[in-house]
Amino acid sequence: EAQVTQNPRYLITVTGKKLTVTCSQNMNHEYMSWYRQDPGLGLRQIYYSMNVEVTDKGDVPEGYKVSRKEKRNFPLILESPSPNQTSLYFCASSTGTSGFDEQFFGPGTRLTVL
Amino acid sequence: SQQGEEDPQALSIQEGENATMNCSYKTSINNLQWYRQNSGRGLVHLILIRSNEREKHSGRLRVTLDTSKKSSSLLITASRAADTASYFCATDANYGQNFVFGPGTRLSVLP
Repeated sequence: EAQVTQNPRYLITVTGKKLTVTCSQNMNHEYMSWYRQDPGLGLRQIYYSMNVEVTDKGDVPEGYKVSRKEKRNFPLILESPSPNQTSLYFCASSTGTSGFDEQFFGPGTRLTVL
Repeated sequence: SQQGEEDPQALSIQEGENATMNCSYKTSINNLQWYRQNSGRGLVHLILIRSNEREKHSGRLRVTLDTSKKSSSLLITASRAADTASYFCATDANYGQNFVFGPGTRLSVLP
């Protein structure tokens, strides 16, 4: 089944404790992206990647890191999480080398930073 | 950055009625997409309309795009309770590399 998977689905952590949210897609998509969703603000793009070893900042990259060492994986790293990073996070992938096409979304990761 | 803004923020209708949601954006786009999200779950792509298209249909969905007014509308005909969800428009920026979503319209379809 074609899908985007994220892990963990739920995470409660404390300020400053490094964490990684994994994202994997099995559709051989070149484009991958991370979003955060907050009430009243819709989805905001954090980082995106057009291909392996190619990443770029979205609208809200501060406090986050990403890497794209393999085509299928695009982990999101929070080196020192803070309470304002409490949010619902989505990973997405798309065909082509841009976001022009339909994006397929993962199920989401609900992160709480205490 | 440019942003899609949906209107209304919330909409409540009876089953069988039509639902119309609007999206406005600020700068030129290459395409505009509509997505649906069921409570707290991942977004599902509904339809993509390119800047050189004016109208597109998919089942009970009809999307229009007016680039002169920088606006789009999503019409859901003969709504069903299962259409209850949040609907988002997304516009591309930076030649499609960067996507911007609006805050969404919450649609409630009452049986």
